[in-house]
Parts: sequence; structure tokens; C-alpha cells
Amino acid sequence: NAGVTQTPKFQVLKTGQSMTLQCAQDMNHEYMSWYRQDPGMGLRLIHYSVGAGITDQGEVPNGYNVSRSTTEDFPLRLLSAAPSQTSVYFCASFAPGWGSTEAFFGQGTRLTVV
Amino acid sequence: QQQVKQSPQSLIVQKGGISIINCAYENTAFDYFPWYQQFPGKGPALLIAIRPDVSEKKEGRFTISFNKSAKQFSLHIMDSQPGDSATYFCAASIIRAGNNRKLIWGLGTSLAVNP
Repeated sequence: NAGVTQTPKFQVLKTGQSMTLQCAQDMNHEYMSWYRQDPGMGLRLIHYSVGAGITDQGEVPNGYNVSRSTTEDFPLRLLSAAPSQTSVYFCASFAPGWGSTEAFFGQGTRLTVV
Repeated sequence: QQQVKQSPQSLIVQKGGISIINCAYENTAFDYFPWYQQFPGKGPALLIAIRPDVSEKKEGRFTISFNKSAKQFSLHIMDSQPGDSATYFCAASIIRAGNNRKLIWGLGTSLAVNP
């Protein structure tokens, strides 16, 4: 199993450009989420999905869109990149079970907006 | 509002020493408390976790101590090694409407173990 795969690993965008960060998992997890990680701010939830066709906003959703057409894929779209979106982005999928919530993370996408 | 408060922000320990990272929470509905370890350039990965009906859990050199009455839990790394140098996140999990679980994260602790 590959686990959670994110592409690209690095990206530089100009202000105003749009792009899609890809995330795919092969563990058949229903629950997936996108986080951004900034120094001193921990992991902040952008959007999440509890299954195909179902998405919802997290703590910092502005400037980002998501969709979930399949269980495997959960892309994150930046509509019009801004320097404030410079960050490291992580996609995670979550193992099922009420007694635990193990999150499996991708390797991250380091995004720089200039 | 930070629902899980983690300290210290950074920690330097000598090889062979004990590393201690603390977390405190407010919501008594949390029912699962994991610790994640993140190496540079990688995503976080589950290290060890505990439920509130247990006061301590040990896995190798890593131990979680849980104090339900104080609403605090901590990670102890015994015989710390340079390979333990990483960022550590505590988290707390809660069931939400629709039987979905939510993870609330601490802000992280950067641990450096000097050789």
C-alpha cells in the first residue's frame, strides 16, 4: 500500500494564479482532510470530507475549494493564490473506528506564493 | 481558542536524558489522546495514544501519563536519542454529530536531542 500520496512536493506560484494540490489514498478511508502547517501555528484544518460527495469547512477555509468525487481522491484547489497561502499543506486520511482516530498523513506540499 | 495547550514550544535534551512534553485540555468530552511525531520534510505519524480510562501507557521508550482530574497528559521519552529529534504534536479526539470524529491539535513541540 502506498498510503497517502500528495503531489506536487514543491510548488511556486505567482499571486493570483490558481492550482490544485492532489491527494490520493489507497486505504479505503472515508474520512479525509487538508491541513496547513505554519511555524508556531500547528496544524490548522482547511477542509474535510466524510465520504464521497460530502465536504465541509474547517478552521481556515477561505481561498480554498475541495471536492470528493471518489473515496480515493481529495484535491485541494487554490482559487487565486495569495502570499498568505505560503505554507506546507498536508492531506490526511483517517482510519475508521469509534475508539480511535489514527490519521495517516501524506508527505506534504511546500507551497510558496510570490 | 486553543482547546489543547501544549508546552514547551521547544526543548533541548542531552542524549540519554528524559524528554517531557505536556498538554492540557478543557473539554471533558475528549475520549482519545494521541501523540504524533513529525520529522523534517515528512508528515506527522502516530507515535502512541491513550484513552482516559488508563493513567499510563508505555511503548518502548515512550510513555504517556494521563491525569483525568487535572485534564492533563504528557509524553515522556526515556533515554532520549538524537534520532528522536523531531516535532511532537499532542491531540485530543471527540465524536461530533453524525458520529464523525474530530482531532484537536496542540501547536507542537520541537525536540532536539544533543549527542
